[in-house]
Amino acid sequence: NAGVTQTPKFQVLKTGQSMTLQCAQDMNHNSMYWYRQDPGMGLRLIYYSASEGTTDKGEVPNGYNVSRLNKREFSLRLESAAPSQTSVYFCASSEDRDEAFFGQGTRLTVV
Amino acid sequence: QKEVEQNSGPLSVPEGAIASLNCTYSDRGSQSFFWYRQYSGKSPELIMSIYSNGDKEDGRFTAQLNKASQYVSLLIRDSQPSDSATYLCAVKSDSWGKFQFGAGTQVVVTP
Repeated sequence: NAGVTQTPKFQVLKTGQSMTLQCAQDMNHNSMYWYRQDPGMGLRLIYYSASEGTTDKGEVPNGYNVSRLNKREFSLRLESAAPSQTSVYFCASSEDRDEAFFGQGTRLTVV
Repeated sequence: QKEVEQNSGPLSVPEGAIASLNCTYSDRGSQSFFWYRQYSGKSPELIMSIYSNGDKEDGRFTAQLNKASQYVSLLIRDSQPSDSATYLCAVKSDSWGKFQFGAGTQVVVTP
């Protein structure tokens, strides 16, 4: 049982490049989330998907797009990376009132 | 005003002592409350979940919830050096299913 799997674990981008962060969960959860974590800022929600086919903006959606490809997969895309998007990104999933399960994180540096 | 507030710390605790962490939240509709532990460079892992007023104990950890006062706390008894980490308070409202995280409290257990 892998839980939540994120790829890649590390990435360095040049300003203006694009990339997609992949996330998959095998727990049959309806809800999936993308967070970014910056020092002293805690976890901030980028986008959220309550179920397959639906997505909603979170606290910091600018510069990002998401796709809920199916119930298992939720991807995050940076169309034109900026240094301000240097962060650690976490994907998570949950069901009903229960806790969020997190992936291992992606450490992204934009130079 | 942040929706979930925690003292940032660091909270320095002698080995064997009790660490007390507090968290307040603003959304009165919140139904689910969680404490996560996060080691440096790692993803958050669930320690405790609590859904109703009162205390919930699990090993050395006790979570306390008071919905009327809108606070949730975590006690760590017999603190060990391995408890040194950042502790994140998370609140989930059933009305929209998103998690709100506090910025975290850093705990340092000194031998």
